[in-house]
Amino acid sequence: GAGVSQSPSNKVTEKGKDVELRCDPISGHTALYWYRQSLGQGLEFLIYFQGNSAPDKSGLPSDRFSAERTGGSVSTLTIQRTQQEDSAVYLCASSLVWDQETQYFGPGTRLLVL
Amino acid sequence: GQQLNQSPQSMFIQEGEDVSMNCTSSSIFNTWLWYKQDPGEGPVLLIALYKAGELTSNGRLTAQFGITRKDSFLNISASIPSDVGIYFCAGTITGANSKLTFGKGITLSVRP
Repeated sequence: GAGVSQSPSNKVTEKGKDVELRCDPISGHTALYWYRQSLGQGLEFLIYFQGNSAPDKSGLPSDRFSAERTGGSVSTLTIQRTQQEDSAVYLCASSLVWDQETQYFGPGTRLLVL
Repeated sequence: GQQLNQSPQSMFIQEGEDVSMNCTSSSIFNTWLWYKQDPGEGPVLLIALYKAGELTSNGRLTAQFGITRKDSFLNISASIPSDVGIYFCAGTITGANSKLTFGKGITLSVRP
C-alpha cells in the first residue's frame, strides 16, 4: 500500500543483543519521526529527521539508541545491548514538510526483550 | 517536560450514547490533535486544531481547542461498536520540530 510500513512487525530478542527496526515512510514525505509506546503509556518522541538537516535526537533515552535515514527515505532505529525496559512498540511516522503536524503512523514494531 | 493529562484511563459506554473526552496541560500548545489507535495499528489522526477557540467536526466527532491553549476536548456522538479503541490527545509547540507530545490515552469500550 501507500502508507508507512515497518518491519519486522514483531521482534523477540534476548537481553544484551542488538536489534534493528526499519521504517519505510510514505513516498515524498521528507519528515520522519520515531516514537516509543510502552504498555499503558502514550507515545514518547525519540528522534526526528527532516530532509538533509541534522536529526533532532533529543528524545533518545540513552546512547544505546541510534537511528539513521539513508537517502532521505528509509530509516533504521538501532538498539544496542537491549534491556528488558526497552520492550515496547516502536512507531514510525512521516509527514510532508509543510504539514508536519499531520503525521501518518506505521503499524509499529512490537519489541520484546527477554 | 510538557505533559498532557487524559483521564480516566478507560471509559465504557452503551452503543448510541455520546461521550466526551478531555485533555489538559500545564503548558501552552499551539496545535492540538486527536488520534485513535486500533489494536495492532498505529495511531490515525482524527482531528487537528490550530487556533485557540477553534471548534472542528469530522463526522460524528467534534473537537475544540481551549481558549487558554491548555486544554482540548473530543466529543463522539451516537457511538457505534467500531468507535472502540484508544483515543490520544497530542500537542505541538511552534519551533519544536513538530514532535508530538502525547497523553496516555483513553481506552473506549462500546457495549452493543
